[in-house]
Amino acid sequence: DTAVSQTPKYLVTQMGNDKSIKCEQNLGHDTMYWYKQDSKKFLKIMFSYNNKELIINETVPNRFSPKSPDKAHLNLHINSLELGDSAVYFCASSQETSGEETQYFGPGTRLLVL
Amino acid sequence: GQNIDQPTEMTATEGAIVQINCTYQTSGFNGLFWYQQHAGEAPTFLSYNVLDGLEEKGRFSSFLSRSKGYSYLLLKELQMKDSASYLCAVEPFPYKYIFGTGTRLKVLA
Repeated sequence: DTAVSQTPKYLVTQMGNDKSIKCEQNLGHDTMYWYKQDSKKFLKIMFSYNNKELIINETVPNRFSPKSPDKAHLNLHINSLELGDSAVYFCASSQETSGEETQYFGPGTRLLVL
Repeated sequence: GQNIDQPTEMTATEGAIVQINCTYQTSGFNGLFWYQQHAGEAPTFLSYNVLDGLEEKGRFSSFLSRSKGYSYLLLKELQMKDSASYLCAVEPFPYKYIFGTGTRLKVLA
């Protein structure tokens, strides 16, 4: 069974559209994350969220918003997509926000904005 | 199935050399990444291997053997700040990734 899954795997869309990427974890973890991988393969954290607190990286445009219907899901919604949003987005989960808990990563969603 | 294996924990002494191994079984291969992750922080990109051989970047080197499904990360002149988790991730197809669960390295004085 996949621990952290993302859908869709690939997403091609036009500028200006609104899209969502879904993430689900079946590990019973308390905290979930969204990362953006840039062209240099660096991972930049966008959000971390548990049932108590949402921590937003201040550099993330407010067109991006996380939505968590329940503890096992953290979806990423993007409004008014721009060309620069093209990247691979990773979801991850861990048991706690701090300490040495391992983060488990999903397979990534490749977003291409045309 | 697709799988990545790396040791869960390793311990080494400051100033020493440590090798963190990663083996993988995937249906394809497009590249292999190593990331360093300190507790509570985002992973930091270390290396990306596509071809066989050793790539060196300062104190860190990464090796890949595609025929053996094997990679290692070599850390030299260990420092206390190198205590972190080291993630191996394989890209079996473009833009699809499989992450290992990481190797937690403890550097002792």
